[in-house]
Amino acid sequence: QVQLVESGGGLVKPGGSLRLSCAASGFTFSDYYMSWIRQAPGKGLEWVSYISSSGSTIYYADSVKGRFTISRDNAKNSLYLQMNSLRAEDTAVYYCARDLTTGGVDWGQGTLVTVSS
Amino acid sequence: AIWMTQSPSLLSASTGDRVTISCRMSQGISSYLAWYQQKPGKAPELLIYAASTLQSGVPSRFSGSGSGTDFTLTISCLQSEDFATYYCQQYYSFPRTFGQGTKVEIK
Repeated sequence: QVQLVESGGGLVKPGGSLRLSCAASGFTFSDYYMSWIRQAPGKGLEWVSYISSSGSTIYYADSVKGRFTISRDNAKNSLYLQMNSLRAEDTAVYYCARDLTTGGVDWGQGTLVTVSS
Repeated sequence: AIWMTQSPSLLSASTGDRVTISCRMSQGISSYLAWYQQKPGKAPELLIYAASTLQSGVPSRFSGSGSGTDFTLTISCLQSEDFATYYCQQYYSFPRTFGQGTKVEIK
C-alpha cells in the first residue's frame, strides 16, 4: 500500500537550517506530483510547496519563498524540503503529501520541526 | 490567492445528528475542492474530492455538494468516530489553500 514516511525533523535554533526527507513506497513515485503541507501546534493546515513529477515546475507559499527549497529524486523515490533561515513561526508538523490525479492528497504521518532558542 | 471561509469553526452535535459544514471561496473554483477529516495526533485523511466524489472506503453518510464558490460537507447521521476536525481545500490554483477547520464535538 501507499506509504509516505517523513524524517529529519527536530529542534533547531532561529536562523538555522534543516532538511526534511520523505521516503515513498507502494506506488510509482515518478508519476506523481508531490507537496509539503504543515500544521503549527493547535492550528490549521498550511500548504507549503509543490513539485511536479519531473521536478520542472515548483511553487511555494509566500511565507517560505526564498527560504525553503523543494526537490525530489525519482531514482530514490524521495522528496525533500531544505529549510533555511528558520523562524519560530516555522514550528509545525510537516507532512509529505502525494497529489492524487483525481484531486486531493494522500498524507504521510508527519515530522515535527521546532524552532526555538 | 484564493481565500476560503469555512464555517462554523466549532459545531456541537449528538450522535445521530445531521451536520453540515460550509466552505465559501473568494472566487470560483469549479469543482476543484477536497474535504479532509483529522483526528487528534493523526494526519488528515481525504474524504471527498472533486467537491462531491467520495474517496474509496469512506462511509456513505458523508457527502459533498457545491461548485463555483459555495460548497458543503454533510454528515447524514453522526457516528462516534466522526467527532474530529474537518478541513476544505481548493486545488484550482496555487497557492493551494485550506479552510480554517471545523471541530465537531460531542454536545
